[in-house]
Order: sequence, then C-alpha cells, then structure tokens
Amino acid sequence: EDQVTQSPEALRLQEGESSSLNCSYTVSGLRGLFWYRQDPGKGPEFLFTLYSAGEEKEKERLKATLTKKESFLHITAPKPEDSATYLCAVDNYGQNFVFGPGTRLSVLP
Amino acid sequence: EAQVTQNPRYLITVTGKKLTVTCSQNMNHEYMSWYRQDPGLGLRQIYYSMNVEVTDKGDVPEGYKVSRKEKRNFPLILESPSPNQTSLYFCASRPDRRGGTDTQYFGPGTRLTVL
Repeated sequence: EDQVTQSPEALRLQEGESSSLNCSYTVSGLRGLFWYRQDPGKGPEFLFTLYSAGEEKEKERLKATLTKKESFLHITAPKPEDSATYLCAVDNYGQNFVFGPGTRLSVLP
Repeated sequence: EAQVTQNPRYLITVTGKKLTVTCSQNMNHEYMSWYRQDPGLGLRQIYYSMNVEVTDKGDVPEGYKVSRKEKRNFPLILESPSPNQTSLYFCASRPDRRGGTDTQYFGPGTRLTVL
C-alpha cells in the first residue's frame, strides 16, 4: 500500500533557527510530490510541486528538495509567521493524492 | 480571482437532520473532491468526481452522498448526520491530469458539529 510519512510530528524553533522537515514516501509510482502549508482551521495552501529526484524549488525562506525516497522542506531563518502545519502529498498516478499526516511547526519570537 | 468556495463555513446541527455543504470552483477544473480532516488522522478523501455526472467513493464514503450536475459545483450531502461526522471538511479541485500532474486547490473549509 502506498504511504507517505512525515517527521517530526511537531517542531518548535526559535526565530532565526533554521531546520528541515522530512517527507518519506513509499509509492508504486511518483508523478509529482506536493508541499502545502495549512493554518489552523483553514484550507491547505499550495507551496511547491517537485517532479523528479534532484529537483529543488525555493520560495522566500522555504526550499523543497526531492530524492527517490523522500523530500525535505528546508526553512531558513524562520519567522513567527512561518508557524503552520506543513503537509506533503504524492500523486501516485491514482485517482487521489496520498497525503502525509503533516508536521506542526511553531516558530517562537 | 481563481478560488474554491464552500458554504456554510460553520454549521452546528443535530443527529439525523439532513444537511448539504456546497462547493463551487471558478477554474473550470474537471476533478473535484471532498475531504475530512480529523486530529491525528490527517486528510481523508470522502468522494471525488472526474467530471460531470461521474463520481466515485474515496477512502471514507459511508454516510455521505455527492452529486456533480454541473462542472463548477460539487455538493456534499449528509442524509442523516451522526456525531462521528463532526469534523473539518474541505472541498478541492484540480485540472484533468492527462497532460501531467497538477496541484489540487482547496476551499477554506467547513467546520461541522453534529450534536
């Protein structure tokens, strides 16, 4: 069965303290991997799509990378407004994306 | 503005009272989907639709119905809601993927409480 896991479950950082979130996947085929940001009580907001191993995408303080088994979301010098849950999802050529459980990030001032 | 809208955003109801949550998208997307999100369980798909008049079950379809009579609308129907359907619901849409993958765009969510 195709599966997406994310670690850590929760992460607390001080403002300016860089770190990385992990998304590991076991799927029959990878058509694309997506990162979303979700604020409490709101819908997931699209961040990045990665299609093949070695690909990287950047947006402000966020950088997403992809290997054959996992993806990382690197957060450089985070600010309190980066606090959110970050979701990873995989398009495995099925009818639906396979979502990970998310990493809840808190950035303290 | 390209968006997915849902109504109502908040709903408190009682067991057994039929309700409908509406979903509309203005991006001419073929694919639409409903998810529920519960603490510790993540996003779980309820139903999806590949196009008008084409719907299929997702991972947790029990107790729900959907219809797709128009491309832009995809309502979620709870014929006889029960307390275990208390959850945060999201509608999502994306283009047809024949040309490759594309992201799903999510609505703002509907928080449903069934007493």
